[in-house]
Amino acid sequence: DIVMTQSPDSLAVSLGARATINCQSSQSVLYNSNNKNYLAWYQQKPGQPPKLLIYWASTRESGVPDRFSGSGSGTDFTLTINSLQAEDVAVYYCHQYYTTPYTFGQGTKLEIK
Amino acid sequence: EVQLVESGGGLVQPGGSLRLSCAASGFTFSSYWMHWVRQAPGKGLVWVARINTDGSTRSYADSVKGRFTISRDNAMDTLYLQMNSLRVDDTAVYYCSSAPGHNDPPDYWGQGTLVTVSS
Repeated sequence: DIVMTQSPDSLAVSLGARATINCQSSQSVLYNSNNKNYLAWYQQKPGQPPKLLIYWASTRESGVPDRFSGSGSGTDFTLTINSLQAEDVAVYYCHQYYTTPYTFGQGTKLEIK
Repeated sequence: EVQLVESGGGLVQPGGSLRLSCAASGFTFSSYWMHWVRQAPGKGLVWVARINTDGSTRSYADSVKGRFTISRDNAMDTLYLQMNSLRVDDTAVYYCSSAPGHNDPPDYWGQGTLVTVSS
């Protein structure tokens, strides 16, 4: 199974500042034939289901604010949230859909400092 | 508007069975791959199972293989998860989610249904 490891487990960032969450996969999720990374990011707020933010490592889902961005390739990925807003408080998960069993990172809890 | 509504959760004793349903609306259900993902109280997301558009291809997490069965009824726009031989560590909120293709991440998610396995 592909193990997804996120860092940090939690972080506190000031309003208007930048938040950076890292995700590392135990093997590459880059499919060479189409040069796509099978890596997504989800946001989950308390009492709500996950919401898809980013797929193919860097493609923003429709309706997601452009302060959210994803980067990386192969085994190392980053979710960046610029100009942090109060509504961004949530747990963020990376997710590989390269192969079954699909796996998620353990989650990163983002709070306001 | 896309809607996924799970039902069928509840309290069950260890070793018991339960069938979850997920009613879909607002999109062409028969064209989407469907997933079940669970989340134990206070814990992270765990993928459970996936089924293709016509139900002919199914994949499972090792932890549920042989005990859970994912299925779908495209005429009824409904996804199912039959759970047998339930264990205490199956306790979780179970979400159904849709994906446009077999190599796409789940995009729409239901609100989830809570399954509690306890004596």
